[in-house]
Amino acid sequence: GENVEQHPSTLSVQEGDSAVIKCTYSDSASNYFPWYKQELGKGPQLIIDIRSNVGEKKDQRIAVTLNKTAKHFSLHITETQPEDSAVYFCAASKDGNNRLAFGKGNQVVVIP
Amino acid sequence: DSGVTQTPKHLITATGQRVTLRCSPRSGDLSVYWYQQSLDQGLQFLIQYYNGEERAKGNILERFSAQQFPDLHSELNLSSLELGDSALYFCASSVDRGAIYNEQFFGPGTRLTVL
Repeated sequence: GENVEQHPSTLSVQEGDSAVIKCTYSDSASNYFPWYKQELGKGPQLIIDIRSNVGEKKDQRIAVTLNKTAKHFSLHITETQPEDSAVYFCAASKDGNNRLAFGKGNQVVVIP
Repeated sequence: DSGVTQTPKHLITATGQRVTLRCSPRSGDLSVYWYQQSLDQGLQFLIQYYNGEERAKGNILERFSAQQFPDLHSELNLSSLELGDSALYFCASSVDRGAIYNEQFFGPGTRLTVL
């Protein structure tokens, strides 16, 4: 099955700086890559996703890039704010198979 | 708020017992997914139901079972509970009406503690 890995496991950034989280996946047939944000005591919240027919997608301060050849995708958060502090999960799935394979998660800490 | 509701929020029980977790999907969503989140395994897909029928199975133990009712709510039944079953259990739902990609929206989860 699909194996998704995330790096780094913990990331501390100063408020206003950028944060980048990288994920790799193993199944070349995967073509849908969502990112989830999980705050303490809450369920994962979908923040952005990318399909395999595009290389980059942006939504305000959040962007995701996808490199299908290298089988990796990244989440970029610019101008970080304290409310960005959370655990971020990347995931992957493929057509006809909606099960999401998740990475282990990244703890992002934004230091005021 | 994702629109997915789960009850109960917390559940404490003893080994060997059986519990039922309940999920109501977002209005209009046909698919329900169950995931288990533990510290060592992360978020693991358990099972998916689509419009009342089982569609996909993941790493779900034989002691666990699920079903989706005509009103589309779903229940996850966990029996002969073991200490290692202690985890957060999440339900997610998606529209799944012919679209290739279906965003999944997660509920707030049920925290199960087995003593």
